[in-house]
Amino acid sequence: GIQVEQSPPDLILQEGANSTLRCNFSDSVNNLQWFHQNPWGQLINLFYIPSGTKQNGRLSATTVATERYSLLYISSSQTTDSGVYFCAVFPHSGGGADGLTFGKGTHLIIQP
Amino acid sequence: DSGVTQTPKHLITATGQRVTLRCSPRSGDLSVYWYQQSLDQGLQFLIQYYNGEERAKGNILERFSAQQFPDLHSELNLSSLELGDSALYFCASSVGQQETQYFGPGTRLLVL
Repeated sequence: GIQVEQSPPDLILQEGANSTLRCNFSDSVNNLQWFHQNPWGQLINLFYIPSGTKQNGRLSATTVATERYSLLYISSSQTTDSGVYFCAVFPHSGGGADGLTFGKGTHLIIQP
Repeated sequence: DSGVTQTPKHLITATGQRVTLRCSPRSGDLSVYWYQQSLDQGLQFLIQYYNGEERAKGNILERFSAQQFPDLHSELNLSSLELGDSALYFCASSVGQQETQYFGPGTRLLVL
């Protein structure tokens, strides 16, 4: 099946810093989503971005489908940004019937 | 709030027992997905239903089963529970089969 690798696995930053999280995937995809899992375990949708660039406030994401990677940018980090960020993909080969394959996540800690 | 509801939020049971987890998708969503998040396996896709029919299976054990009812809510049945089944179980829904998936708050299962 498709492989999803996220880097870095852990990241500790001071409040106000910027960060870039990376997601590499091994095959073409029909769907790519970024999620934030907060300390209470909730999985919060950040972006649906199988290709192109999107921005939402301090967060933005870019997916280069032809090169099989996606980047999540977080600017001016706040302590509430802490948590685990997951990239998940829906493989093109699934034919429409499949589930998301998740990476192992990037654990982000923002210190005040 | 994603619009996906799951009950119960927490469940504590003993080995060998059977439990049922319930999910109500967002209004208008026809696809329901079940995922399991454990410390050693990460987030894994279990099974997908679309408009009442099973469409895809992931890493779902034979002791587990699911169904989607005419009103589109879904239930995940876990039987002969083992200690290793302790995990966070998520339900997600989407309009079709490759669109954005929205996740519920999860059911935290502890098997003692």
